Amino acid sequence: DTEVTQTPKHLVMGMTNKKSLKCEQHMGHRAMYWYKQKAKKPPELMFVYSYEKLSINESVPSRFSPECPNSSLLNLHLHALQPEDSALYLCASSQVIGETQYFGPGTRLLVL
Amino acid sequence: AQSVTQLGSHVSVSEGALVLLRCNYSSSVPPYLFWYVQYPNQGLQLLLKYTSAATLVKGINGFEAEFKKSETSFHLTKPSAHMSDAAEYFCAVRDLNTGFQKLVFGTGTRLLVSP
Repeated sequence: DTEVTQTPKHLVMGMTNKKSLKCEQHMGHRAMYWYKQKAKKPPELMFVYSYEKLSINESVPSRFSPECPNSSLLNLHLHALQPEDSALYLCASSQVIGETQYFGPGTRLLVL
Repeated sequence: AQSVTQLGSHVSVSEGALVLLRCNYSSSVPPYLFWYVQYPNQGLQLLLKYTSAATLVKGINGFEAEFKKSETSFHLTKPSAHMSDAAEYFCAVRDLNTGFQKLVFGTGTRLLVSP
């Protein structure tokens, strides 16, 4: 089973709202990733967690705040987003860093 | 630095025809290479991967890819296209510069299949 789940599937939020995206995997993977994907573009890495510790932050604005409360769960907290942050947000996991990444279905975010 | 180049942002084939999606890589070390497929409004699904074992890799849905070191290529093929193959395809390589934490993606190729 290589399933990564993400909730919600769609999210519409105003620029003053606070919301969170959730990602879950039960494959025992110890590396988890957040990507942002704009239309007709490849995914762009945002954050990497390894053994629940932040390993990479790709210079992402502080209005995006990741959290890894346990080895199965990865959250992305959103606050004061801009319309240009509207995108598909993808979560992925891998056994450990460097191994094959498996992606979730994504959360489509619209910021008004 | 590791990178991949996908030649052709769009490829059009007829149903039943051969599918060939091109990917060339640049890597200073033996690469791990991946092909992912993305159907509309969905996440990325792993099609196949090369991890330095057999050079001909078979994946899901009848796709396969051949690693050719001399040509620095990892092209994706399928003998007979099906309408359900219409999607965006991404080639990717592990990035040595980040200790392989990062996947470097190509720009993607949209496969269009006509009846």
